[in-house]
Amino acid sequence: DGGITQSPKYLFRKEGQNVTLSCEQNLNHDAMYWYRQDPGQGLRLIYYSQIVNDFQKGDIAEGYSVSREKKESFPLTVTSAQKNPTAFYLCASSPQGRGYTFGSGTRLTVV
Amino acid sequence: AQKVTQAQTEISVVEKEDVTLDCVYETRDTTYYLFWYKQPPSGELVFLIRRNSFDEQNEISGRYSWNFQKSTSSFNFTITASQVVDSAVYFCALSEEGNTPLVFGKGTRLSVIA
Repeated sequence: DGGITQSPKYLFRKEGQNVTLSCEQNLNHDAMYWYRQDPGQGLRLIYYSQIVNDFQKGDIAEGYSVSREKKESFPLTVTSAQKNPTAFYLCASSPQGRGYTFGSGTRLTVV
Repeated sequence: AQKVTQAQTEISVVEKEDVTLDCVYETRDTTYYLFWYKQPPSGELVFLIRRNSFDEQNEISGRYSWNFQKSTSSFNFTITASQVVDSAVYFCALSEEGNTPLVFGKGTRLSVIA
């Protein structure tokens, strides 16, 4: 079955640590996206990539980094510079923007 | 710049009532796409509908219907005879042509009470 896999489902981070969230798709989609969701805030765009080896900042990129070395993979690193990383993170992909497939999300908690 | 506004933060209805979720959007593009997603407590987003800017026909799918009006930049969503399983957060979203990111509204939390 084609789809997007996000892992892990739950992630706990100590303050000052970097963590990486995984996002893999086998849909052959060109574009991939990372969103952050906080209660009452809707989904806000962190980074997106339209082709391999290229990516653009979204509205809230500070404290995050990404890479797109393969078409299938778009990992998100939450760095220690992100002051309030506790949130729900969703990854998505699209084939020319005609439809967006979302993963099931990763819930990150700082302990 | 694109913007999606969902003015209703929370709505509570009794089962079998009809309910309409409002969505107003802003964009300068003539070609764009509008979406509705449902987010149950599990967190994943469930796709409901996609509509392009050139198709203003209303759509009905079972108990769901959508009213797209370009004149008022609105894309409202109605659930007829609501059920408890409809309880979720509903998001309206907008994208422009090509591989552009979706822009989301802040969502409307719908609670259907038995």
